[in-house]
Amino acid sequence: ELKVEQNPLFLSMQEGKNYTIYCNYSTTSDRLYWYRQDPGKSLESLFVLLSNGAVKQEGRLMASLDTKARLSTLHITAAVHDLSATYFCAVESGGSYIPTFGRGTSLIVHP
Amino acid sequence: DTEVTQTPKHLVMGMTNKKSLKCEQHMGHRAMYWYKQKAKKPPELMFVYSYEKLSINESVPSRFSPECPNSSLLNLHLHALQPEDSALYLCASSHEPRTSGRGSYNEQFFGPGTRLTVL
Repeated sequence: ELKVEQNPLFLSMQEGKNYTIYCNYSTTSDRLYWYRQDPGKSLESLFVLLSNGAVKQEGRLMASLDTKARLSTLHITAAVHDLSATYFCAVESGGSYIPTFGRGTSLIVHP
Repeated sequence: DTEVTQTPKHLVMGMTNKKSLKCEQHMGHRAMYWYKQKAKKPPELMFVYSYEKLSINESVPSRFSPECPNSSLLNLHLHALQPEDSALYLCASSHEPRTSGRGSYNEQFFGPGTRLTVL
């Protein structure tokens, strides 16, 4: 059974600081997704990572995938308040195209 | 049209009521999904329709009844719900797994959700 662990689950940071969210998973996979969810809102697709060493960047967010370590990271550079949200990673494994979600990281960026 | 729409946005119902949630997409996606999400939790998969046929039912109680009238529409019929069924219900859609230069993938696009409260 595929298990997906995110850490930290809660992250409070100041504007301008850098930080990384980690997503570990338990079985071989080369399909990983990052989503953002604002309170009471839906999930917005941020990144799709499909191969070992994949790196994608959008604004202050950069996601990477290391399939050998079974690890993806979401790096936040010079955080701003607008990045406050919950971030989920989701992993597909093998022939299943149904993602398993991590528990989510609740990010609050303080002025 | 690149979005998934859901109606209603909010729904309050009693335990004896019958109501329906609706989801629509016009992106030509052939897979559609219902998820349930409780506060501060990840989405939990309920049902998957693939080419208008139910392909996955994650042991969901029969008080939830999905329906896919056509490839663009997905309904969730609700009857005799319990207060613990109160949650955000999310619809999503995707192409069947598609192949890029780096392999196949199945990115899901989520609707805005229906906030359901069962009294």
